[in-house]
Amino acid sequence: GENVEQHPSTLSVQEGDSAVIKCTYSDSASNYFPWYKQELGKRPQLIIDIRSNVGEKKDQRIAVTLNKTAKHFSLHITETQPEDSAVYFCAASSTGTASKLTFGTGTRLQVTL
Amino acid sequence: ETGVTQTPRHLVMGMTNKKSLKCEQHLGHNAMYWYKQSAKKPLELMFVYSLEERVENNSVPSRFSPECPNSSHLFLHLHTLQPEDSALYLCASSPSGPVTGELFFGEGSRLTVL
Repeated sequence: GENVEQHPSTLSVQEGDSAVIKCTYSDSASNYFPWYKQELGKRPQLIIDIRSNVGEKKDQRIAVTLNKTAKHFSLHITETQPEDSAVYFCAASSTGTASKLTFGTGTRLQVTL
Repeated sequence: ETGVTQTPRHLVMGMTNKKSLKCEQHLGHNAMYWYKQSAKKPLELMFVYSLEERVENNSVPSRFSPECPNSSHLFLHLHTLQPEDSALYLCASSPSGPVTGELFFGEGSRLTVL
């Protein structure tokens, strides 16, 4: 089955700096890669996703890149703000559907003032 | 109320107790899910229901028993649990069956097994 590895497990950046979280996946058939953000005590929420026919996608300060050859994808957050502090989970699916998502172990991002 | 709501938010039970977790979604979705979230582990998919039919069961021990009486409600019945079952149990739903990618999560039920 699919295996998703996520690094780093914790990340601390100063406000205004950029943050990058990386994930690798094992199943070359995976074609859907979402990122979820979970604030402390809150529910995970989808923040951005990318499908395998696209190499990069941006939404304001967040972007995701995908390298199918190397089987890795990354989340980039620019101009970080304190409200970006949360746990971020990457995931991969070989069917493009929610029922076959395999999640990474999460990255705790701390944005310091 | 909108979104996905879970009750109870916190539950403490002994190993011999029987309890149930409840999930309700007000989004008109047709697929519902149970996930287990443990510290430093990936979110683990437990069960998937599509149009009230179970379509996924990821080798979950029989002490966890799901029930989906209709497309808006999902239960997780718990009995004879072990301390290692202590975790946050997240319910989620998605639109139009397990077709589109986005999951809408509830805030979870924090379970402690003594």
